[in-house]
Amino acid sequence: ETGVTQSPTHLIKTRGQQVTLRCSSQSGHNTVSWYQQALGQGPQFIFQYYREEENGRGNFPPRFSGLQFPNYSSELNVNALELDDSALYLCASSLGGGATYEQYFGPGTRLTVT
Amino acid sequence: KNEVEQSPQNLTAQEGEFITINCSYSVGISALHWLQQHPGGGIVSLFMLSSGKKKHGRLIATINIQEKHSSLHITASHPRDSAVYICAADWGTGNQFYFGTGTSLTVIP
Repeated sequence: ETGVTQSPTHLIKTRGQQVTLRCSSQSGHNTVSWYQQALGQGPQFIFQYYREEENGRGNFPPRFSGLQFPNYSSELNVNALELDDSALYLCASSLGGGATYEQYFGPGTRLTVT
Repeated sequence: KNEVEQSPQNLTAQEGEFITINCSYSVGISALHWLQQHPGGGIVSLFMLSSGKKKHGRLIATINIQEKHSSLHITASHPRDSAVYICAADWGTGNQFYFGTGTSLTVIP
């Protein structure tokens, strides 16, 4: 059974550019959640995908968008990058959405926007 | 407003000490999660509970629904327990987890 993986590990982008982060779910999991964690803060929920459909969204602007593929892997896309987007981006997979399912986190992608 | 607060923010303990980290939340929840985050970012889920108490090895998590409060206890602490411990609440709406800001624990040999 493989765990949750994310790529790339680190990324440096310039303000205004676009970025795509990738997440591969744990085997058998159909739900992926994405989180942004600024330095010294707890993670903030961006959105969740369940069976390729968005299944909940936090307080993030539309330039944060996502996709989930038939194999349940997922992408987080951020357009028009801002300096405040610099953070650790975490994805977590689970067997379903909601409170009753334990989430398994990936190692994260550290994004730096200059 | 859905809020999650943790205390203390930072904690330093001697090896072997009993440690308690507290988490309180503003309104009733569907589930409360305790997570461990090591330097570098990796997060591991420790417990998910909606009532009572759970134990795993030296870790114990309790929740008091009436008081909207949960605690994470570590018995016989060890330097390898050094990490950030985060509680996260799920109110069962929009599948959104609300995270506390974390408690940074350092256990000194």
